[in-house]
Amino acid sequence: QKEVEQNSGPLSVPEGAIASLNCTYSDRVSQSFFWYRQYSGKSPELIMSIYSNGDKEDGRFTAQLNKASQYVSLLIRDSQPSDSATYLCAFSGTYKYIFGTGTRLKVLA
Amino acid sequence: DVKVTQSSRYLVKRTGEKVFLECVQDMDHENMFWYRQDPGLGLRLIYFSYDVKMKEKGDIPEGYSVSREKKERFSLILESASTNQTSMYLCASSLMGEVKRERWADTQYFGPGTRLTVL
Repeated sequence: QKEVEQNSGPLSVPEGAIASLNCTYSDRVSQSFFWYRQYSGKSPELIMSIYSNGDKEDGRFTAQLNKASQYVSLLIRDSQPSDSATYLCAFSGTYKYIFGTGTRLKVLA
Repeated sequence: DVKVTQSSRYLVKRTGEKVFLECVQDMDHENMFWYRQDPGLGLRLIYFSYDVKMKEKGDIPEGYSVSREKKERFSLILESASTNQTSMYLCASSLMGEVKRERWADTQYFGPGTRLTVL
């Protein structure tokens, strides 16, 4: 069983809509969870870290963590064409990180 | 702002050459990492280091070695480059955080990447 599962997409949403990206993980012990955005040919850039159950908002982005159900999600409000990218979720252990393979998001103008 | 820099954005080498990829971070992070990223395979950890002169193998260390002589610098070495090492190489660094009194690797920051082509 993969440790992090993400739907590879592409997920297509119209401009201005809410994009919802989901991630499930298998490690019940992990405490730290991350969402990264990666444009084609570029390196991953951090969108948000989340450590506690519930929602965490930063601008148009909201991360949601549910440790009991072992999932973390990312909502992007008012999606823009510039949000088109691959979104990676990850969690960390004592030193190492486990990454999903990413969900490709396409925002249609 | 955390800054992680890598010595080259693009590199072309020949089979059998020894290749050095350098990574420097300016935020006094304890942990440093080298990944490669290939289409359809995601990010794969090559080596990581949690302290100066310390190194640990990741998931795919074969054909690679690393060096960490100073806290801010982590080098990846391809002893004898081969065509199957053509890839995007990403360096990253992170601090250790604490959650519920336990130490965990905190947010990881990536460098811009080096696209290596081995001919």
